[in-house]
Amino acid sequence: DTAVSQTPKYLVTQMGNDKSIKCEQNLGHDTMYWYKQDSKKFLKIMFSYNNKELIINETVPNRFSPKSPDKAHLNLHINSLELGDSAVYFCASSQEEISGNTIYFGEGSWLTVV
Amino acid sequence: TQLLEQSPQFLSIQEGENLTVYCNSSSVFSSLQWYRQEPGEGPVLLVTVVTGGEVKKLKRLTFQFGDARKDSSLHITAAQPGDTGLYLCAGAKGNTGKLIFGQGTTLQVKP
Repeated sequence: DTAVSQTPKYLVTQMGNDKSIKCEQNLGHDTMYWYKQDSKKFLKIMFSYNNKELIINETVPNRFSPKSPDKAHLNLHINSLELGDSAVYFCASSQEEISGNTIYFGEGSWLTVV
Repeated sequence: TQLLEQSPQFLSIQEGENLTVYCNSSSVFSSLQWYRQEPGEGPVLLVTVVTGGEVKKLKRLTFQFGDARKDSSLHITAAQPGDTGLYLCAGAKGNTGKLIFGQGTTLQVKP
């Protein structure tokens, strides 16, 4: 079984549309994250949730809204998509939100905005 | 401003050669991790170092955390084509799990 699974893996959509990426982890972890990897492979944290509570919000435009219905799920909804939103979005999880914890990443969702 | 500077950004070598990747910062980190990412997949943790001067070995890979906990290196001995991938260093500050990633080093090992 995949530890951190996210869907869809590929998404091509037009500017202005609204889209969602879903993420689920079966590791029993308390903390989940969303990271964005740009075309230069630079990986940057967007959000982290601990037990459904928002812990980190890294000055991401409010068009991005994470939702955690329970601690095993963290979905990412994006409104009014822009060309610059094209990237790979990684969901991840860790046992706790502390330094040195192992973070398990999903396989990524390739978002292309045209 | 890039908090973690990783070098080199690209490296293409022959099988059997040795290489070192560097991860430098002016900031102190409570822990530093190295990840490897293959095309189409997410990063996978290789190692975590937490103590200044710490050295960890993983088969042909040797990781070192600087004495001041501001830098780290990854040395690969006798590289193999299977080592090809994107290597990412990531540091955590304070007690938070928030990771700051370097720009990555794309390694290609030719047979």
